[in-house]
Amino acid sequence: EAGVAQSPRYKIIEKRQSVAFWCNPISGHATLYWYQQILGQGPKLLIQFQNNGVVDDSQLPKDRFSAERLKGVDSTLKIQPAKLEDSAVYLCATGLSLYNEQFFGPGTRLTVL
Amino acid sequence: AQSVAQPEDQVNVAEGNPLTVKCTYSVSGNPYLFWYVQYPNRGLQFLLKYITGDNLVKGSYGFEAEFNKSQTSFHLKKPSALVSDSALYFCAVRDISDSGYALNFGKGTSLLVTP
Repeated sequence: EAGVAQSPRYKIIEKRQSVAFWCNPISGHATLYWYQQILGQGPKLLIQFQNNGVVDDSQLPKDRFSAERLKGVDSTLKIQPAKLEDSAVYLCATGLSLYNEQFFGPGTRLTVL
Repeated sequence: AQSVAQPEDQVNVAEGNPLTVKCTYSVSGNPYLFWYVQYPNRGLQFLLKYITGDNLVKGSYGFEAEFNKSQTSFHLKKPSALVSDSALYFCAVRDISDSGYALNFGKGTSLLVTP
């Protein structure tokens, strides 16, 4: 069974630039999560989807971050404009339902200079 | 509110010895508890979970965890450590009554198994 796919794996941008990350879930997984993991910390939830609907985006900095999951499959996370403190690994995770364990992709390491 | 504490930044153990990685939690209702492992430059891998039932949960790679409600703990254990177990371990909790369904992760514990 294929796992969660994410791209790109690494991205380096300058502050105030824009960046987008892509996630392809495990087939049949209804729930999708985006996490931010800053070095030395545990992942912090940014947003979670159930199919193509948002379940929780209370931790998403909406002035600069946006996410969508069109057609309830792939998802994109965008940062516009990026700040230095956005440097982190962005993890995508998916699950069969909100009650099941989550399976994580390899992450995208973002460096903002 | 819900939270997880992993009191040890690093745990060192010799290969072949038993290992324990500690986790305590705080939730207002009943917890869902998880352990994940993260190898360098890779995403988190699911190890095991406690939802309900037997307090001793067995998971992948020979790991197990014991749910202790009175001590609000969910320590990860393995009877005999391998060098390949060296990685970063995260405990996570979700309050069953929390409608947000979000997982709260601890800060992680680095496990180093020496030959």
